[in-house]
Amino acid sequence: EDKVVQSPLSLVVHEGDTVTLNCSYEVTNFRSLLWYKQEKKAPTFLFMLTSSGIEKKSGRLSSILDKKELFSILNITATQTGDSAVYLCAVYSGTYKYIFGTGTRLKVLA
Amino acid sequence: GAVVSQHPSRVICKSGTSVKIECRSLDFQATTMFWYRQFPKQSLMLMATSNEGSKATYEQGVEKDKFLINHASLTLSTLTVTSAHPEDSSFYICSARVWDDEQFFGPGTRLTVL
Repeated sequence: EDKVVQSPLSLVVHEGDTVTLNCSYEVTNFRSLLWYKQEKKAPTFLFMLTSSGIEKKSGRLSSILDKKELFSILNITATQTGDSAVYLCAVYSGTYKYIFGTGTRLKVLA
Repeated sequence: GAVVSQHPSRVICKSGTSVKIECRSLDFQATTMFWYRQFPKQSLMLMATSNEGSKATYEQGVEKDKFLINHASLTLSTLTVTSAHPEDSSFYICSARVWDDEQFFGPGTRLTVL
């Protein structure tokens, strides 16, 4: 059965800290891995990763995929209170659907 | 990124009534849309995949007759919760797959069944 596992489930840090969120997967016919940020409403897209070893970056956020070890990490540097959210990892499979992890709930304290 | 709208954003209804939720792609054509539900502090659970012009593909455990999905055009998919009950109360989110594998979400609909 396809599954996506995220860790940690929750995390509390102080502003300025750097955090690393993990996503591992076991999915048949992997096509791509996506990261989302969810605050109070629907998730917003952060990154899509398809190739191993190529880092994607957007401001203080970056992400990389390891297709050999079947995982991805999402890094957030110099965290701010506005980064507080649930971060979701999803894998798009050859069955043409997205499989979501349980999410990591991040709280950044001022 | 692509814009997906959802309407209504919030609905409260009595038990036994039917509720229709609309999902629209505003600036692109979406041949495939997805419907999810999300319970508090839980992740998204895929309910069904909606393909324009054909029947939706439901995930295991999701009742087709209860959650009717229609994808009649390239910009509109609808989810109808028939004979809603309190246990159907949830956050329903649609999404559309765009170029390559990117997926963009609508803002969600919070359904409360009294």
